[in-house]
Amino acid sequence: GDQVEQSPSALSLHEGTGSALRCNFTTTMRAVQWFRKNSRGSLINLFYLASGTKENGRLKSAFDSKERYSTLHIRDAQLEDSGTYFCAAEPSGSWQLIFGSGTQLTVMP
Amino acid sequence: EAAVTQSPRNKVTVTGGNVTLSCRQTNSHNYMYWYRQDTGHGLRLIHYSYGAGNLQIGDVPDGYKATRTTQEDFFLLLELASPSQTSLYFCASSDATVSNERLFFGHGTKLSVL
Repeated sequence: GDQVEQSPSALSLHEGTGSALRCNFTTTMRAVQWFRKNSRGSLINLFYLASGTKENGRLKSAFDSKERYSTLHIRDAQLEDSGTYFCAAEPSGSWQLIFGSGTQLTVMP
Repeated sequence: EAAVTQSPRNKVTVTGGNVTLSCRQTNSHNYMYWYRQDTGHGLRLIHYSYGAGNLQIGDVPDGYKATRTTQEDFFLLLELASPSQTSLYFCASSDATVSNERLFFGHGTKLSVL
């Protein structure tokens, strides 16, 4: 089965509000990354975490290896935040990345 | 469940070598993508395709060719490999438009060019 379960698959927010995306892991991961897909199709790295939390502007991410999850919080959402967000996790002892299937975020006026 | 399979998982070649990375998806998706991941860059799009016989250029296409032989199969070709192409390569598929969709990824290919 899937090792990375990302939710929700789709999310709609009004400008100025916030919410959280989540990835649950079925096995121990040593690190997680969060990406956002740009208009050209490339995935821009938002965060890389081996533990704890990181914050950048209106985005904040947390990773708990023991509890097997990671979150991406968006606050004060803006129209330009719309897009598809992915998490990807590194299994312990492996160089590979296991991707979540993405969250399609739509920010509405 | 959507499935994207990449091969090989690991590859080592020398400068000037010829490498083919394979990707097969059993999702009946129209779109397929090749990305490379390097520290500090996220995943950068090399080439993508929206159907058999189609090829579109991504953000970092130099030094790469690609071919979509069937709906299922998408190949990435390095005809004269260089050390700068040492990277992690990911294939993905999707059934929607490029701008807004869910992607299903393979587990990656680790390529080392010596």
